Amino acid sequence: DQQVKQNSPSLSVQEGRISILNCDYTNSMFDYFLWYKKYPAEGPTFLISISSIKDKNEDGRFTVFLNKSAKHLSLHIVPSQPGDSAVYFCAARPKGGKLIFGQGTELSVKP
Amino acid sequence: DVKVTQSSRYLVKRTGEKVFLECVQDMDHENMFWYRQDPGLGLRLIYFSYDVKMKEKGDIPEGYSVSREKKERFSLILESASTNQTSMYLCATRTPGQLGSYEQYFGPGTRLTVT
Repeated sequence: DQQVKQNSPSLSVQEGRISILNCDYTNSMFDYFLWYKKYPAEGPTFLISISSIKDKNEDGRFTVFLNKSAKHLSLHIVPSQPGDSAVYFCAARPKGGKLIFGQGTELSVKP
Repeated sequence: DVKVTQSSRYLVKRTGEKVFLECVQDMDHENMFWYRQDPGLGLRLIYFSYDVKMKEKGDIPEGYSVSREKKERFSLILESASTNQTSMYLCATRTPGQLGSYEQYFGPGTRLTVT
């Protein structure tokens, strides 16, 4: 049973435009959400996070939105750059539990 | 900066071999994790350790064991490698003490191929 789902395996965006990566979850007990970015042949690196008590967190070009009623999380990248091309994983943590990762979305930003 | 290193970047082993994957961290973190990453399946937790000599099964522990004799080192063992264990293996660490922070720090990964 996949508790954290990223339904789009890939996304292609033009440089300078907005990239929107989506993540859905089923467990209302998740209290913390994170996004990781992974380049080929490297480990994932932490990008941005949000607590369940917030609905938005912004860090430079990256903004994460949380819609608790819809159990939906999204990552916005504005403006997108070719260096943003990577696989993006969302992850969620149930209170007191371990991170649960989604399947990943491969973002390709074309010049 | 947290540094997590893994003993090999690429490894090729034969079916039935015993395989050791090592992970070392330099930040005195209590928690360490082993994941495997497969296309379409994301990161799946194999085993984790809260502290030295403490270990717990993750979501897919079958065919694997772990060892944590020292705080900085966490080893993943494939008792008898099989072709379905061909995967990218990722080690991660975190410290549970940071308030509001649940991020994990990952090593570069080991691409294991079992033939």
